[in-house]
Amino acid sequence: GAVVSQHPSWVICKSGTSVKIECRSLDFQATTMFWYRQFPKQSLMLMATSNEGSKATYEQGVEKDKFLINHASLTLSTLTVTSAHPEDSSFYICSARAALRGYTFGSGTRLTVV
Amino acid sequence: QQQVKQSPQSLIVQKGGISIINCAYENTAFDYFPWYQQFPGKGPALLIAIRPDVSEKKEGRFTISFNKSAKQFSLHIMDSQPGDSATYFCAASEGGNKLVFGAGTILRVKS
Repeated sequence: GAVVSQHPSWVICKSGTSVKIECRSLDFQATTMFWYRQFPKQSLMLMATSNEGSKATYEQGVEKDKFLINHASLTLSTLTVTSAHPEDSSFYICSARAALRGYTFGSGTRLTVV
Repeated sequence: QQQVKQSPQSLIVQKGGISIINCAYENTAFDYFPWYQQFPGKGPALLIAIRPDVSEKKEGRFTISFNKSAKQFSLHIMDSQPGDSATYFCAASEGGNKLVFGAGTILRVKS
């Protein structure tokens, strides 16, 4: 089956620093990757959509200079939270999609900014 | 038009009972309707999905019922077990584009 590996599973960083989260499709090539943010007891909120080799498309209200997304290959996408602040603390989840496949989600990354 | 409305917000079911979660949508161009199960601290996992040319799909204890004319779809969990206690999300997408999620249903199965 389709597997998406997301790392790290949790990270604590100091306010003002940057954090990179990786999302890899292990056994398929993902033409499109999606990044979500989820607050406790809430649904998934789409942050951006990225296609391999193209700039990411950000949802309204998401700061593209703060949440940098790179999709350099068909198996790897990264989300970098720049100059993180406590309000960026959240659960970040990636999802990968390929032709004739559904959407496979990573296991999520718990980010805590102190 | 892009919303998917999910109910109930929470649900308590006795072990062995049937859990039913409902979703409604407006966008008739949606062509893929999955259900996801999420445990605390984990990413969503696909349970079962349906396309609009089918009215029902069953996989083990999980069944999706789809009513195209009413623009509604539901998840039935038969013989609910304590291990089914989780948050369930319905979703919909159009042409392989972004998924639109429902608000989620917290299911608790009492033993």
